[in-house]
Amino acid sequence: GESVGLHLPTLSVQEGDNSIINCAYSNSASDYFIWYKQESGKGPQFIIDIRSNMDKRQGQRVTVLLNKTVKHLSLQIAATQPGDSAVYFCAETFLAAGNKLTFGGGTRVLVKP
Amino acid sequence: DTGVSQDPRHKITKRGQNVTFRCDPISEHNRLYWYRQTLGQGPEFLTYFQNEAQLEKSRLLSDRFSAERPKGSFSTLEIQRTEQGDSAMYLCASSSLRDTGELFFGEGSRLTVL
Repeated sequence: GESVGLHLPTLSVQEGDNSIINCAYSNSASDYFIWYKQESGKGPQFIIDIRSNMDKRQGQRVTVLLNKTVKHLSLQIAATQPGDSAVYFCAETFLAAGNKLTFGGGTRVLVKP
Repeated sequence: DTGVSQDPRHKITKRGQNVTFRCDPISEHNRLYWYRQTLGQGPEFLTYFQNEAQLEKSRLLSDRFSAERPKGSFSTLEIQRTEQGDSAMYLCASSSLRDTGELFFGEGSRLTVL
C-alpha cells in the first residue's frame, strides 16, 4: 500500500499501553482543532475535535487536550490497539473562513504486539 | 458507499500532459475542498467551493491548476502542462454548513509525473 510519510516522527507503543501525541498550532484565532488518522493508502479520517473554548474533550478511547496559552494540542489514546497504527495529524480551522483546515506535521504511531 | 469518492485513484502521466481528477462529495454536503499531500507532509489546502461558487484559492494553486463545481455537486481539478513537482496525492473533502470542523475525505488521487 501507499506510505503516507517516510520521515515522520514515530511513536512506538506496546499494545495495551496509552499513547500521547502532541501538536503545536500556529493561529491563536483558530476556533476548532481536530485530530485526523491516516492509514496507508487512505484519506484522513476524523477522530475527534475540540472547540477553542474548551480544554478537554473525551471520545471513545481518545481524549483531546487543548492548551491555548502555549498553543498546544494533544491526543491521548487509551489501551492502544494494532488498528491504531497510522499517521496522526492535528489540524486547526477558523469556521468563519470557510472551515478550511490547516494541518500540522504528522506523527506515525506503531503499535507493537 | 455514500462517502466521498475520487477518480482515478492513480494516474501516471508524462511531463507536459494535462490531467483531470474528479470528486463526488457526500450528496447533502454544500462545501467541497481540494487538498494536496506529498510524502511525509500533512495535506495542504488548495481551494474550496460552497455549492457552485469557488470561494477561495490558495497561492499553491498556480495558473496551471483549475477547479470547477458546475452544478454544485461533483467537482473536477485539472492540471495543465504537468510538471514533476505536481506529483502528489490530491485529496477531496466535503462538509456540511453546520458549525463543526469535521471534513470527510476521499481516498485521494495519486498523481505521478514522469
